[in-house]
Amino acid sequence: QKEVEQDPGPLSVPEGAIVSLNCTYSNSAFQYFMWYRQYSRKGPELLMYTYSSGNKEDGRFTAQVDKSSKYISLFIRDSQPSDSATYLCAMRGRSGANSKLTFGKGITLSVRP
Amino acid sequence: GAVVSQHPSWVICKSGTSVKIECRSLDFQATTMFWYRQFPKQSLMLMATSNEGSKATYEQGVEKDKFLINHASLTLSTLTVTSAHPEDSSFYICSARVGEQPQHFGDGTRLSIL
Repeated sequence: QKEVEQDPGPLSVPEGAIVSLNCTYSNSAFQYFMWYRQYSRKGPELLMYTYSSGNKEDGRFTAQVDKSSKYISLFIRDSQPSDSATYLCAMRGRSGANSKLTFGKGITLSVRP
Repeated sequence: GAVVSQHPSWVICKSGTSVKIECRSLDFQATTMFWYRQFPKQSLMLMATSNEGSKATYEQGVEKDKFLINHASLTLSTLTVTSAHPEDSSFYICSARVGEQPQHFGDGTRLSIL
């Protein structure tokens, strides 16, 4: 079992749809959870950052972390064509080998006008 | 804030040459910098971690003599691909972090070895 599992997609939705992206993980030492957006031929851009369990909202984006279920989600409301990109979940613990970021494989989202 | 600049964005060179890639944190002092490699349609693969003034820690399977990392200051790290060959062609991405804050990534360098 991989440490971080992410639905491989791809995912195609119409403009204005609500998008739900999810990752599950197995390492209980993970405490920092991030979502990155990566456009083609660019580096990942930090979208959301959460420490431990809980929800965080930023504009059209909401991140949720459920440590008891080892499950994290990213919701995108009112999706736009400009949201078309690859979305990577990433997480890490505080120290040692767990302090390195572990990524999901990424899911490619396409928002159709 | 939290801008990481990577240069060059694209380089093409002949087999056998060495290529240096620079990574700078523009508006913060990074305690740790990371170098990744990304193959098409795959996630990022960590190559090495470096702290300012210390030797880099390489991941298993990454040749330290092939991929030289220098982290001379809190805002600059360089990756030199020595005697590059076509199999080294890839997308290289650096990132930087302060303490427990999240990592911020550069825009990557496309390296093509002919």
